[in-house]
Amino acid sequence: DQQVKQNSPSLSVQEGRISILNCDYTNSMFDYFLWYKKYPAEGPTFLISISSIKDKNEDGRFTVFLNKSAKHLSLHIVPSQPGDSAVYFCAASEVSGSSNTGKLIFGQGTTLQVKP
Amino acid sequence: DAGVIQSPRHEVTEMGQEVTLRCKPISGHNSLFWYRQTMMRGLELLIYFNNNVPIDDSGMPEDRFSAKMPNASFSTLKIQPSEPRDSAVYFCASSLRMATEAFFGQGTRLTVV
Repeated sequence: DQQVKQNSPSLSVQEGRISILNCDYTNSMFDYFLWYKKYPAEGPTFLISISSIKDKNEDGRFTVFLNKSAKHLSLHIVPSQPGDSAVYFCAASEVSGSSNTGKLIFGQGTTLQVKP
Repeated sequence: DAGVIQSPRHEVTEMGQEVTLRCKPISGHNSLFWYRQTMMRGLELLIYFNNNVPIDDSGMPEDRFSAKMPNASFSTLKIQPSEPRDSAVYFCASSLRMATEAFFGQGTRLTVV
């Protein structure tokens, strides 16, 4: 049972345009969400996160939006650059609550290609 | 800080052999995770430890898989006997607190032939 889903395996955008990566989750107890970026032959690196008490978090060219009612989050990259080409994973966890398991659950990943 | 260190980077072994993957977490981190990356399932959590104690091993696929954390600076993931379907990239990650930002090692690419 995939609790965190990234339904688009790949995305291709032109340099300078906006990249939008999407992620859906099923567990309503998740209250902390993260995005990771992964280059080939390297481990994933943390990019940006958002708590469920917010609906938006921005860090430079990267913005994460959270829609709790839809159980959906998205990562916006603007403007996109060729160096952003990588696999992007979203992850979710339950930080608060009595059943805090401490797990970070990841999606399958979306491969982003930014064309020059 | 050197980050999370995994060894070996690549491992090729024959079916039926024992394989041991090693991980040194970031000093001071008290949570350690083992993940497996596959095309179909993405990053799949196998097991994680908090303060050297296994908290949840429900992701371990079979009894052939076992993990230990004898101290705060070392963990192993063992597969015995290995099978071709175990071929994947295995990542170790550590974090300061459970369920927040985790830092990943570079991974071990395992190939079982």
